[in-house]
Amino acid sequence: DTGVSQNPRHKITKRGQNVTFRCDPISEHNRLYWYRQTLGQGPEFLTYFQNEAQLEKSRLLSDRFSAERPKGSFSTLEIQRTEQGDSAMYLCASGVSNQPQHFGDGTRLSIL
Amino acid sequence: RKEVEQDPGPFNVPEGATVAFNCTYSNSASQSFFWYRQDCRKEPKLLMSVYSSGNEDGRFTAQLNRASQYISLLIRDSKLSDSATYLCVVNRRASNYQLIWGAGTKLIIKP
Repeated sequence: DTGVSQNPRHKITKRGQNVTFRCDPISEHNRLYWYRQTLGQGPEFLTYFQNEAQLEKSRLLSDRFSAERPKGSFSTLEIQRTEQGDSAMYLCASGVSNQPQHFGDGTRLSIL
Repeated sequence: RKEVEQDPGPFNVPEGATVAFNCTYSNSASQSFFWYRQDCRKEPKLLMSVYSSGNEDGRFTAQLNRASQYISLLIRDSKLSDSATYLCVVNRRASNYQLIWGAGTKLIIKP
């Protein structure tokens, strides 16, 4: 399967814990995006990488959130000291310039 | 006001009917336009890009009106499997091509 891969698919954790998600983009795509989606809403942009450089972060992304793409391939999104409001689907997408982005299955985070 | 707006629906439509959705966007610098489809608790999947001259893919027709800043999606001969949420999406080169999403229009096709 050469699509975008995300893991884990589901994560349930207690409030205050740290969580880390991984995204493996389509190999020839140099752009990687993280989005967050809550019920009844469209996805919201969180951050964007071109190769290994993180070029943009949304104001939605608090200091508790950090993302990396160390070698320009896979990316990780970490949330520290999780809060109830962090419960959402976290979507990763990859693409090339203005071509349509391709999405992974997402990681559904539930904070207890 | 949201940058991309859609009627949330739901649109309840009998099988075989034709249904149309509109979406408006507020930033005239928007460059690329897409319709994505999202099934319940699944990731969005690209349905079709929207080109200035309008484009068709089987039962689906998309149109763009830059002057009025809206895009539309027409579904003909609707199938039960068309039931989903349809998300209108725009992007701009100036924003690193990040996608700006509408909240989606829910479509329910009834037998």
